[in-house]
This record gives sequence, structure tokens and C-alpha cells, in this order.
Amino acid sequence: NAGVMQNPRHLVRRRGQEARLRCSPMKGHSHVYWYRQLPEEGLKFMVYLQKENIIDESGMPKERFSAEFPKEGPSILRIQQVVRGDSAAYFCASSPQVGAYGAEAFFGQGTRLTVV
Amino acid sequence: SQQGEEDPQALSIQEGENATMNCSYKTSINNLQWYRQNSGRGLVHLILIRSNEREKHSGRLRVTLDTSKKSSSLLITASRAADTASYFCAVGGSQGNLIFGKGTKLSVKP
Repeated sequence: NAGVMQNPRHLVRRRGQEARLRCSPMKGHSHVYWYRQLPEEGLKFMVYLQKENIIDESGMPKERFSAEFPKEGPSILRIQQVVRGDSAAYFCASSPQVGAYGAEAFFGQGTRLTVV
Repeated sequence: SQQGEEDPQALSIQEGENATMNCSYKTSINNLQWYRQNSGRGLVHLILIRSNEREKHSGRLRVTLDTSKKSSSLLITASRAADTASYFCAVGGSQGNLIFGKGTKLSVKP
């Protein structure tokens, strides 16, 4: 059972371009979470999705950022018109169906976005 | 906010000593999870403790949860140089979301 797969591992974009980050959850996992991490800091929650639904996007900037988790295929985090401040590591995590006490979330290796 | 807050921010110990990290949070939770992150790498899940549990063990790890004090602790016994990493607690809410603290940076000197 492969782990959470993120690609690309490294992404360089010029200011104003679009960045697309992909996340394939672990097999059987229907919940996906995206986090952003700046150097020497913790993970900041961005968005929580289930298949075809956004459950919680309270951590995602209202402009330029969007996320989806379609019925088929990976989850996509899309950043339009990137700026230097978007440079960070973006981590995706997945978990199985959430029970009464929640479930373990497993992380991918992250995508390191550099905006030049 | 349900954000977990780790304490201390940094901890330096000698190999063989025990390391204790604490986490406090603000609201009710379904579970609390601990993760490890080596520099520049992804997060590794260590242990999940449910809100109705008080203590959990996994190898050299021991996690406690006190919901009345809204706090948890992670104890690593007989530490090794390979335990050097950042350790994060994450609180799980009723919606299944996970909110992370800023982490404790542990350095184990050989």
C-alpha cells in the first residue's frame, strides 16, 4: 500500500504564474488535508476535503487559492498568480473514514514551492 | 482556536536521557496526535490518543492526555541521536480536521 504521494517534490514558478500541486491519498482514504509550512514553523491548516466536497476551507486565502478532490484522480491545490510570499512547503495528508474519535492522518513528503 | 501549543520550543539532551514535550490546547477534542518531522522532510505519525484515553504506549514513546487540563505530554525514553527532530502535536476536532502546534525542536547529543 503506497503512502500519500505528492508531486512535484519541488516546483519553481515565476511571479504571476500558476502553481498546481497534486496529492494522491493512500488507498482507501477518502479524506484529504492540505497544510502549508514556512521554514522553522509549524504546519498551518489550509483546507480539508472529502471526495467532491470541501469540508473546511477556513485556512485557505480567499483569493488565488483553490482546492479540489474529484471523484477520480488526485486532489489538486491550485495557486494562481503566485507571489514570493507563497514560497513554502505544502503538505498533503490523508485519512480513512473518520470515526467517532477521528483517525490517523498520514502525510506525503511535501511539495516545496519557490517563487522567483 | 483548537491549536495545540507545544512546550518547550527547543530541548537539548544527552543520548540515553528521557525527553518530555508538552502540548496544550483550548477547546474540546476527539483525539490528539503526535508527529515527528526530520529537517526538510515529511511528517511521520507517531501516536494517536483518543479523548477517552489517558495514556498510550508505543515502543519508547509514552503519551498522556489530561482532558480536564486540556494538555498532553510525549515522553521519549532512552533517547538516541536518531530521535533528533521536530515534534508536533495536532488536535483532532469533531469534523475530522487536525490543527497543529508550532512544534518542539529536540536535539539529542551523542
